[in-house]
Amino acid sequence: DAGVIQSPRHEVTEMGQEVTLRCKPISGHDYLFWYRQTMMRGLELLIYFNNNVPIDDSGMPEDRFSAKMPNASFSTLKIQPSEPRDSAVYFCASSFRGVSGANVLTFGAGSRLTVL
Amino acid sequence: GNSVTQMEGPVTLSEEAFLTINCTYTATGYPSLFWYVQYPGEGLQLLLKATKADDKGSNKGFEATYRKETTSFHLEKGSVQVSDSAVYFCALSTNTGNQFYFGTGTSLTVIP
Repeated sequence: DAGVIQSPRHEVTEMGQEVTLRCKPISGHDYLFWYRQTMMRGLELLIYFNNNVPIDDSGMPEDRFSAKMPNASFSTLKIQPSEPRDSAVYFCASSFRGVSGANVLTFGAGSRLTVL
Repeated sequence: GNSVTQMEGPVTLSEEAFLTINCTYTATGYPSLFWYVQYPGEGLQLLLKATKADDKGSNKGFEATYRKETTSFHLEKGSVQVSDSAVYFCALSTNTGNQFYFGTGTSLTVIP
């Protein structure tokens, strides 16, 4: 299994531009999570999906952020317009409920976003 | 509510020293507990887990025991290596299994 695949790995853009981050979860995983990691705030949950349906988006910082999951193998996180304070590493993670009853969360390598 | 508290870093140890990173949790119900490790420039990776009280998770020489009476899941390793330098995150998932709560992370540096 290739694991959780995120693209791009690095993105540098200018303030006001639209940014789209992409994620391919592990096949068979029914939960997908988007996290943001910064030095100041640590790891923050932005939104998560179950069976492609958004369940909790209370962590999305503001209306400039949106996330979609059109099918079980693809999700996007969009920022429009981007601002310098959005600079962070964005992680996608997926999970399934194993036989032990515990979900096991698998992270992608992250997308490092820099907004100038 | 649910939360995880882990010891503040950074932690610096000499090679072959004993490691303990403390983690305590607050949770409703019976959570599963995890330690994740993040190497520089990479995503978080599952290091070990425990799904019920008194379970011991272990991997790569690391161990942690799920202690319900003290609501703790401390990470230990008897002899650290330079390659263990990373940030370690304690986490829990609720017994519904679809919410994860992470600690703030503890940075470990092992010097030769």
